[in-house]
Parts: sequence; C-alpha cells; structure tokens
Amino acid sequence: DAKTTQPTSMDCAEGRAANLPCNHSTISGNEYVYWYRQIHSQGPQYIIHGLKNNETNEMASLIITEDRKSSTLILPHATLRDTAVYYCIVNSGNTGKLIFGQGTTLQVKP
Amino acid sequence: GAVVSQHPSWVICKSGTSVKIECRSLDFQATTMFWYRQFPKQSLMLMATSNEGSKATYEQGVEKDKFLINHASLTLSTLTVTSAHPEDSSFYICSALEFRQGDDEQFFGPGTRLTVL
Repeated sequence: DAKTTQPTSMDCAEGRAANLPCNHSTISGNEYVYWYRQIHSQGPQYIIHGLKNNETNEMASLIITEDRKSSTLILPHATLRDTAVYYCIVNSGNTGKLIFGQGTTLQVKP
Repeated sequence: GAVVSQHPSWVICKSGTSVKIECRSLDFQATTMFWYRQFPKQSLMLMATSNEGSKATYEQGVEKDKFLINHASLTLSTLTVTSAHPEDSSFYICSALEFRQGDDEQFFGPGTRLTVL
C-alpha cells in the first residue's frame, strides 16, 4: 500500500473550516484514500473514504486531486470536540489491512 | 455505523500472568478482525489479522506464541497476551471488517489498556 505524508500538527479556530492535507504521490489505481481520527485514549473513528471523486458525508468532505497524488479532508465547522489525531491511509481494500502513519494532530482552539 | 466492543476496557496484571482481551462485533458479522497495539504518543501498529476459522496472520516482528489470537466465531476474536511483562503494557485496539458490496468498511473497538506490574 502506498505511503502517506501529513503535517505533524495543525491549529484551527473553533467554528472555522479545518483543512487537513495528505500527500500520497505513489498511490496506485485501485487504492482508496481513507481518513480516520483518534480522540485521546479511544479507538479510531472512521470519517470518510474515496477513490477518485470528491466525497461528502455528515462529518466531512474529501477532496482528491485529479492526479490522485494528494487529498484534503475538510471539517466545515470545527468544534472543540474535533480535536484529535487525523490519519490519512491509502489502502487497496484487498486485505483490509490499514497501516497507520503518524497522522496530523489537530488542535481546535476557542 | 456498526459497533465493535472490547472487554475489558482496562486491566492491570502481575508480570508473568496471561491476559485475555475480547473483541466483539455487535451488529454485524466479521470474518476478518485486526489487532493493533499503541504505545504512548505513537501511532497504531498492526499486530495481526484474525480470520474466522483459521490461523491468524502476524505482522513481522510480532511473536505469535506470545500474542495468541483466536477467532472462533463471526462476532468474536480474542487476543491473549501470554506471560505478560511490563514492556507489554500498551493500548490494544481491535477492528472488525464489514464486507459490503464493493465497499468494505472497518470499525474499531474502544481499546483495552493493559498495565503489567
């Protein structure tokens, strides 16, 4: 599975949009981009995933570039409860294995 | 989304004892479950893939005789840490894979914090 690169940490003001980037330049054609987050001392929570089209659900939007080498997770109106570590993972889905990188620690500030 | 539970949520044991952690998919059947370990301020590390009715597949560097995995039913996988030592103290997390037509999704349990004295 392709490797991902994310910034170590980001800050966001409460109520503003949080845009979390992810680079996956070696992604192959059958690999999906998944986003999970982990709030302190809890199990990871699924947020969203996509293959090549942009996706939106009740939690977030996922914007994937046309060449699929990078993506951005958007939390449209960040709240304090969105403070967490956000993981971008590329996975082909064949085995279901998710390999977690270091993720981005998002701190939402009042 | 689907729910995955773990039991216990935390456990403290003496060095040399064995500890069993259960992972259950509550409202779906999971032929595949995964076990992860997470040390403080680090990311999750995949330990093994657990398939119902067959032997688990361990990641490189994970001792299969120390971390025994059993996946006896479609809703239950167990991880037994045998002869636990303080360096095994960690946050153990399981996940269960729900197969959907062309769109699988993986759900995580809340984790079990193991402290070995």
